[in-house]
Amino acid sequence: ETGVTQTPRHLVMGMTNKKSLKCEQHLGHNAMYWYKQSAKKPLELMFVYSLEERVENNSVPSRFSPECPNSSHLFLHLHTLQPEDSALYLCASSFHRGAGELFFGEGSRLTVL
Amino acid sequence: DAKTTQPPSMDCAEGRAANLPCNHSTISGNEYVYWYRQIHSQGPQYIIHGLKNNETNEMASLIITEDRKSSTLILPHATLRDTAVYYCIVRVLIQGAQKLVFGQGTRLTINP
Repeated sequence: ETGVTQTPRHLVMGMTNKKSLKCEQHLGHNAMYWYKQSAKKPLELMFVYSLEERVENNSVPSRFSPECPNSSHLFLHLHTLQPEDSALYLCASSFHRGAGELFFGEGSRLTVL
Repeated sequence: DAKTTQPPSMDCAEGRAANLPCNHSTISGNEYVYWYRQIHSQGPQYIIHGLKNNETNEMASLIITEDRKSSTLILPHATLRDTAVYYCIVRVLIQGAQKLVFGQGTRLTINP
């Protein structure tokens, strides 16, 4: 238990569906992150939020839309995805301006049919 | 962003020390070196970090060369549960948040 909870843990969706991934942290952190991990590839940083402001968008397609309504919650809204978007999506959090660690959730495994 | 280079795989016998090298020759003076590991399909787990001095915690030791161009992670008494992919990362701060760019890492296998 890392203090970062991701739901759902598994999601299967069609290419025309709209779904959302949710991340919640109970650590008092104020920076949150989305990473994508495809099969046999390294983790790819997607988005970074610092104090609820998006500070990094790593050339992610617009079919992925992040939302950070407060420092404890982070969402990834998904629409018109492609089969190659099937991957493990990992959320993480950390303190702002700290030298400390990122705490990762267990991930949401997404399959796009 | 400073790039790191790690061997793709290593083996170590159970109970022995595992020494994982990392090169980061383009690191800047105020950039930290972080180590994480990922056990199959779980979220990455923080191990240790350092700037200039050697560091030790309950999981591992981190040795950073004087010129800071390379470092070594040491797991002093490896167990089978230490089998994982180990990532060496040079951390960048962006507006206070930590930008960690993961490479391919080193797949460490601990053998009985």
